[in-house]
Amino acid sequence: DVKVTQSSRYLVKRTGEKVFLECVQDMDHENMFWYRQDPGLGLRLIYFSYDVKMKEKGDIPEGYSVSREKKERFSLILESASTNQTSMYLCASSLYISPQHFGDGTRLSIL
Amino acid sequence: AQSVTQLGSHVSVSEGALVLLRCNYSSSVPPYLFWYVQYPNQGLQLLLKYTTGATLVKGINGFEAEFKKSETSFHLTKPSAHMSDAAEYFCARDEGAQKLVFGQGTRLTINP
Repeated sequence: DVKVTQSSRYLVKRTGEKVFLECVQDMDHENMFWYRQDPGLGLRLIYFSYDVKMKEKGDIPEGYSVSREKKERFSLILESASTNQTSMYLCASSLYISPQHFGDGTRLSIL
Repeated sequence: AQSVTQLGSHVSVSEGALVLLRCNYSSSVPPYLFWYVQYPNQGLQLLLKYTTGATLVKGINGFEAEFKKSETSFHLTKPSAHMSDAAEYFCARDEGAQKLVFGQGTRLTINP
């Protein structure tokens, strides 16, 4: 079974902090994705990556950046956290054609 | 923009009753379509997928969905609801390049 592991289930940070969310997958998948999930809005794509050191903007990249130095790891970075970035963040990976496999999510609160 | 619309943000059924969760998509070409389920405090788990071929797709936990091109629909059904089916359900389409577009989700409640 594919395992997508997000480093934290719950995280509380302060406004202005730089925040790192980590995601690791164990199935040698090329593709990795970061979403945020908000009530009534479903999942929205922040960034994705098809290969190491490669990244593409999704639908809502503003205020975020990503890093993919190794194939199995995809990090989401909030450069200067703001309260409107309080949300559930989900990481996913896939091999060529989807379906995507999801981690359990990180519930991030920005105070 | 191509999109996915789930009709009804909340659906409530009695245990043993039919479950019907509606999903419509907009697309200029036949899409790949998916249903995912999310249990509380967990990530999304794939229920079923449609790529090509048979339009009636069977998934896990007794769920199935039918791709209807003429109606641009991919509704999810289960003949008899179980308490363990209570969760949030997401319909999604692959818009190409392995990117998924999700509907807003439908929360399913099962009444005893």
